[in-house]
Amino acid sequence: DIQMTQSPSSLSASVGDRVTITCRASQGINNYLNWYQQKPGKAPKLLIYGAFNLQSGVPSRFSGSRSGTDFTLTISSLQPEDLATYYCQQSDSIPWTFGQGTKVKIK
Amino acid sequence: QVQLQQSGPGLVKPSQTLSLTCAISGDSVSSNSAAWNWIRQSPSRGLEWLGRTYYRSKWYNDYAVSVKSRITVSPDTSRNQFSLQLNSLTPEDTAVYYCARGAGRLDYWGQGTLVTVSS
Repeated sequence: DIQMTQSPSSLSASVGDRVTITCRASQGINNYLNWYQQKPGKAPKLLIYGAFNLQSGVPSRFSGSRSGTDFTLTISSLQPEDLATYYCQQSDSIPWTFGQGTKVKIK
Repeated sequence: QVQLQQSGPGLVKPSQTLSLTCAISGDSVSSNSAAWNWIRQSPSRGLEWLGRTYYRSKWYNDYAVSVKSRITVSPDTSRNQFSLQLNSLTPEDTAVYYCARGAGRLDYWGQGTLVTVSS
């Protein structure tokens, strides 16, 4: 199985800050990397697919990038409603696997 | 707009079988481009993909190795839904179970069902 290692496990930032979350794949997955946002008591919500593509309806402050097997989710200007846990998921090969999550807190 | 509505019990006894259903609106379980997945989430295991069913001129299934001997994911075309059966339950199967649409990216999710395995 492909292992997805996410960092950091949690972070605290102020409204308006730039926030970055990293996910490293244990082997090459091309651009088959998706990012999700999960708020307490809710199902995950797709934010970014194919490493770079913004899902319809998702604010443009969210973006994705890739360098080799390292993928990054960036929130350009953190908003209070971005309080959530963020997960990466590889869709290169079955079984789909997820990162451990990054909990984003607002200072 | 695609919606997935889950149903099934929240409490199951050890050694018994879990049965959950996911009713689809706004898409078809027989779609030639979609796949229909079950995922679970627990504090100890995080998000864990369990299996899927999909139609590409015939029906296919894929399952996670960790549950392969105990799981069945099956479509019900007459009701436009799909189901999860997981047998020989243990307390380690306690989790929130989700259904989701996606052949790679998971773009629509059910509301989640907390399943507790306890006598």
